[in-house]
Amino acid sequence: NAGVTQTPKFQVLKTGQSMTLQCAQDMNHEYMSWYRQDPGMGLRLIHYSVGAGITDQGEVPNGYNVSRSTTEDFPLRLLSAAPSQTSVYFCASSRSQETQYFGPGTRLLVL
Amino acid sequence: DQQVKQNSPSLSVQEGRISILNCDYTNSMFDYFLWYKKYPAEGPTFLISISSIKDKNEDGRFTVFLNKSAKHLSLHIVPSQPGDSAVYFCAASAQDGTASKLTFGTGTRLQVTL
Repeated sequence: NAGVTQTPKFQVLKTGQSMTLQCAQDMNHEYMSWYRQDPGMGLRLIHYSVGAGITDQGEVPNGYNVSRSTTEDFPLRLLSAAPSQTSVYFCASSRSQETQYFGPGTRLLVL
Repeated sequence: DQQVKQNSPSLSVQEGRISILNCDYTNSMFDYFLWYKKYPAEGPTFLISISSIKDKNEDGRFTVFLNKSAKHLSLHIVPSQPGDSAVYFCAASAQDGTASKLTFGTGTRLQVTL
């Protein structure tokens, strides 16, 4: 099993550009989540999904969009990138009421 | 409003000694607590967890203690090893205890010295 995979590992964007961060898991987990990690802020939940076709907002959802068309994939879209979205993004998955497995992260720099 | 707090940004401990990492929370609805370990340029990895119905959970060198009345939990690592040097995040979940919606602390960087 590859676990949770994220692409790209690193990305530089200009303000106003859009992009999609990819996340996939091969563990057949129902739950998937996106977090961002900023210095001194810990990890903050952006969006999460409890199954295919079901998504909900987390703590910091503004500027991000998600969809869950399959159990395996949970892409995160930045609609119009802003410097405040410079961060490290982690995707995670889990079975119901179990601990989450995290991907290796995507480091995003918005100029 | 930081619902999960790790007030010590860093901790340095000698190899072989005990490391104690602390975490406080404010939301009385939290019923499941976890510790994650993170190395640079990697994602967090699960270390140990505890349900609110328990006050202690042990796994090898790692023990988590929960004091519900004080809304405080701690992670003890005995004995500490150089490979334990990492950032440790405390996390909590509420309601039905689903781990899909975690609230994280800001992390404590542990350095284990020789």
